[in-house]
This record gives sequence, C-alpha cells and structure tokens, in this order.
Amino acid sequence: GDSVTQMEGPVTLSEEAFLTINCTYTATGYPSLFWYVQYPGEGLQLLLKATKADDKGSNKGFEATYRKETTSFHLEKGSVQVSDSAVYFCARGAGGTSYGKLTFGQGTILTVHP
Amino acid sequence: DAGVIQSPRHEVTEMGQEVTLRCKPISGHNSLFWYRQTMMRGLELLIYFNNNVPIDDSGMPEDRFSAKMPNASFSTLKIQPSEPRDSAVYFCASSLYAGPEVTQYFGPGTRLTVL
Repeated sequence: GDSVTQMEGPVTLSEEAFLTINCTYTATGYPSLFWYVQYPGEGLQLLLKATKADDKGSNKGFEATYRKETTSFHLEKGSVQVSDSAVYFCARGAGGTSYGKLTFGQGTILTVHP
Repeated sequence: DAGVIQSPRHEVTEMGQEVTLRCKPISGHNSLFWYRQTMMRGLELLIYFNNNVPIDDSGMPEDRFSAKMPNASFSTLKIQPSEPRDSAVYFCASSLYAGPEVTQYFGPGTRLTVL
C-alpha cells in the first residue's frame, strides 16, 4: 500500500544552519506530495506541495522538489530560524479514487537553537 | 475566515465513560477526515467522509469507535466505552473537494486523556 518514510529525528540545529529532512514515498501511481508543519499545541498546516514530477514547492524559505526517479521529496531550507522549531510531516496523496486521502510519514521533530 | 473548529480542546475522562468529540469543518468543504496522533503510532487516519457519506473507515480501531456526519457542517467521533489506550490527540481536517492533490486543513485537535 501507500507509504511515506521520513528521516528519523529529532533534528537539532543552530540558527542560520542549513536544513534537510529526507522523505521517500512508495511509487504507486503519480501521487501529489506535501509537507505539513505542526507547531507546539496546534494542528497541522500545509507548508508546501507539488503535484507532478519535477515540480518544486516552496514557502517561507522552505523548498522541496518532486523527484520521481528517486521517489523522494526532501525538504530544505538554507537558513533556519528559532521560529522554525516544529514537527514536519511528509505526506502523499492517494491515487485512483481515494477521495483526497493522505498518507503521512512519522514526522520529524526540528529544534533550532539561537 | 474561521478554520476547522474542534471541541472540546481537552477532555479528561475515566475508563468506561463515553467520549464525544466534535468537529465543524470549513464552510463549503465537502470532505472531512478524523485522525489520531500518538507518540507510538504517529498520525493515523481513522475515517473520512465525502459529501457526508463515510468513504473509508478502515482505520477505526474497533467497534468502540464510531463517527457520524449528519450534515455538511458537523461531525462527531464517539468512543464508548473509552479505555486508557485511547489517550491521544484527535484531529479533524476538511478539504474543498476530493482529489489526490487537495490540501487538507486541520483543526487544533482534542487532547483526550482516559484515566
């Protein structure tokens, strides 16, 4: 079935460091891919998405490129801030007629220190 | 604009009691999802509705869990009887229409503690 695998955390960085969080997905169909972020005490919110191969999603300095050949959608940011501390979830949409169902990875905790 | 609204935000109950979680999706959205989040199992989809009709309830843990969507603006998730292992954060999410590229909008969650 559909699955998403994220790099295990937690990830701890200093402010202004470069961030990469790896994400790979099962290659069933041609799914849309998403990164969601969850700040402490809140629900998940969409960070960025890409709907087809080679698309690049970007938002708030974060980027991720849909790589069909490696079935990956790694999240990157060139210079993280303390306010980026959160849990990041990679997700894939279901193919076929699964009505918008999403499959999430296990989440990666990011902590950024001043 | 009001986002997805969930109530209560926190619920503490004793084992064996009935628990009802409530969700109001974003107005105009026609798909609604219930998730459960725990440290051990991560984020799990329990059930989702499209146009008020349950489409996939394969994630519902057992018969103690039930969900309804009587109209487009309200859904409930009920646990009866509750057990300590049901302790988790329960999220409701909604989306504008059903499709694999659609963005889901999450509510703030209900933190359930079953003693």
